This record gives sequence, C-alpha cells and structure tokens, in this order.
Amino acid sequence: KNQVEQSPQSLIILEGKNCTLQCNYTVSPFSNLRWYKQDTGRGPVSLTIMTFSENTKSNGRYTATLDADTKQSSLHITASQLSDSASYICVVSPHSGGGADGLTFGKGTHLIIQP
Amino acid sequence: DAEITQSPRHKITETGRQVTLACHQTWNHNNMFWYRQDLGHGLRLIHYSYGVHDTNKGEVSDGYSVSRSNTEDLPLTLESAASSQTSVYFCASSLTPEAGELFFGEGSRLTVL
Repeated sequence: KNQVEQSPQSLIILEGKNCTLQCNYTVSPFSNLRWYKQDTGRGPVSLTIMTFSENTKSNGRYTATLDADTKQSSLHITASQLSDSASYICVVSPHSGGGADGLTFGKGTHLIIQP
Repeated sequence: DAEITQSPRHKITETGRQVTLACHQTWNHNNMFWYRQDLGHGLRLIHYSYGVHDTNKGEVSDGYSVSRSNTEDLPLTLESAASSQTSVYFCASSLTPEAGELFFGEGSRLTVL
C-alpha cells in the first residue's frame, strides 16, 4: 500500500532559527512530490513540486530536496518567521497519467514558531 | 482573481439530517475533489469529478454523494448525517487530472450532534 510518513509530527522552534521537515514515501512508481503549507483554519497551498529528476528546489526561504533512490524528501526553512507557523503536508503522486485520485497524503508536520 | 469558495464555513447539525456543503470555483477547472481532514489522518478523498456529469467515489465515500451539473460547482451531500462525519471538509480543483497542483477552498467545519 502506498504510504507517506512525515516527521516530526510537531515541532516548536524560536523565530529566526532554521528547521528541517522530513517526508518518507513508499509510493511506486513515482511521478512527483509536492509540499503544501496549511495555515490554521485555511486550505493547503502548494509551496513546491519535486519531480523524479530534481534534487533541490527553492521557493524563497523554503528549500525542498528529493532523493528518489531512498524515497525521501525534506523541506528546509531558513530564518524562520512567525508566519511560518502552520502544518506542512507532503503529497506524493504515483505516476504521470494517473488521476489526482491516486495522490497519497502525509499527515503533516505541525510547526510552531515562537517569538 | 480566480478562486474557490466553500459554504457554509461552519455548520452544526443533528444526526439523521441531510446536509449539503457547497463548492464553487472560478478557475474553470474540469477536475474537482472533496476531502475530509481529521486529527490523526491525512486528507482523505471522498468524491471527485473530472467534468460535467462525471462523478467518482474516493477512499471514504460511504454516506456522501456529489453531483456535477456545471463546471463551476460540486456540492457534497450527506444524506443522513452521522457523528462520525464530524470533520473539516475541503473542496479542491485542479487544471489537469494527473495530479497537478490542487487549489483548495478554505474549508467547511461540520459538527454532527
């Protein structure tokens, strides 16, 4: 069964510090992996997408990495801000040509940034 | 700007009542989805549609139904609400069916007493 495991479940860090969130998946074959940010009381919003051939992609202070061999991805947040407090959800797509009904969602990492 | 809106944002109902959650998108996307989000679970797919008059069951479809009469709307109906259906419901749409970026609504929090 396709699975996406995220760690840690929750994380508290001080404003200005860096952090790394992990996503391990068993989805096969693999097409792409997205990281979504979900603010409290809001819907998820896409941060970045990683395809099979990509190792690193940045979006401002967010940097996602992908190791397709070990089936691991990470999301690194640099110089955290209070607005980074949110849940971060990893979503894996099994193969190109498949429908979005085949997406596998992780349970998310709840990140709290303290002043 | 194009958007996706859900209504109501909050609803309290009683067991056995019929409830309909509305979802309206102005992206002109053919693909629309309904998910529920509960503590300890990731987003779980309830129903989805790839176009007008097309509807499909997702992972947790029991007790729910949808209909697609136009491109913009995909209402979700709980025929006879149960306490197990207390949850936050998210509607989403995408440009492509093959796992393109999902654009989510703000969510509808449903409480079934």
